[in-house]
Amino acid sequence: AQSVTQLGSHVSVSEGALVLLRCNYSSSVPPYLFWYVQYPNQGLQLLLKYTTGATLVKGINGFEAEFKKSETSFHLTKPSAHMSDAAEYFCAVSENSGGSNYKLTFGKGTLLTVNP
Amino acid sequence: KAGVTQTPRYLIKTRGQQVTLSCSPISGHRSVSWYQQTPGQGLQFLFEYFSETQRNKGNFPGRFSGRQFSNSRSEMNVSTLELGDSALYLCASSLGTGNSNSPLHFGNGTRLTVT
Repeated sequence: AQSVTQLGSHVSVSEGALVLLRCNYSSSVPPYLFWYVQYPNQGLQLLLKYTTGATLVKGINGFEAEFKKSETSFHLTKPSAHMSDAAEYFCAVSENSGGSNYKLTFGKGTLLTVNP
Repeated sequence: KAGVTQTPRYLIKTRGQQVTLSCSPISGHRSVSWYQQTPGQGLQFLFEYFSETQRNKGNFPGRFSGRQFSNSRSEMNVSTLELGDSALYLCASSLGTGNSNSPLHFGNGTRLTVT
């Protein structure tokens, strides 16, 4: 089974600073990777996804992530943090569970705090 | 297009009781997945239904069950509730075509508290 590791359960940045949320995965085959965001008392919302092609993926709200196969990483970045970015972020990998069936395995999540 | 709708938003139950949670997927989505979210364990996969059939199952006891109806709406049932079942239960829908890059669309969840 695949696994996803998010380094740092809590990351704190100042408004305007760079946001870097780390995600590493284990996979023996090319993975499909996702980042989701969860605001308080809400479900998860898709930020971006990597399937094939360009390794730098742009998502909503100014976020982007780079797939690095050699490092088995898919880190999420944003050049300048905004107060509204405060939320919990989840990295996920799509796992084949047999035939054409897939399911997502999530990391434990990283809580992002943005300080004024 | 309406999003994924979960009802109820909040539930308080007593140990030993049973509970049923409901999920209406996005129109046209045939796959519905359920996840349990707790502070300690994070997001854990319960099961996935596609065209009324359970296609995937996580590592949860048999007290957790689900079903999907012909209109793709899904219900999840937990019997003989335990304190540890207190969690946010999230439902997610997708096209479910077997394409691994088809993203999940989540509802806002049902917060279950077991006392």
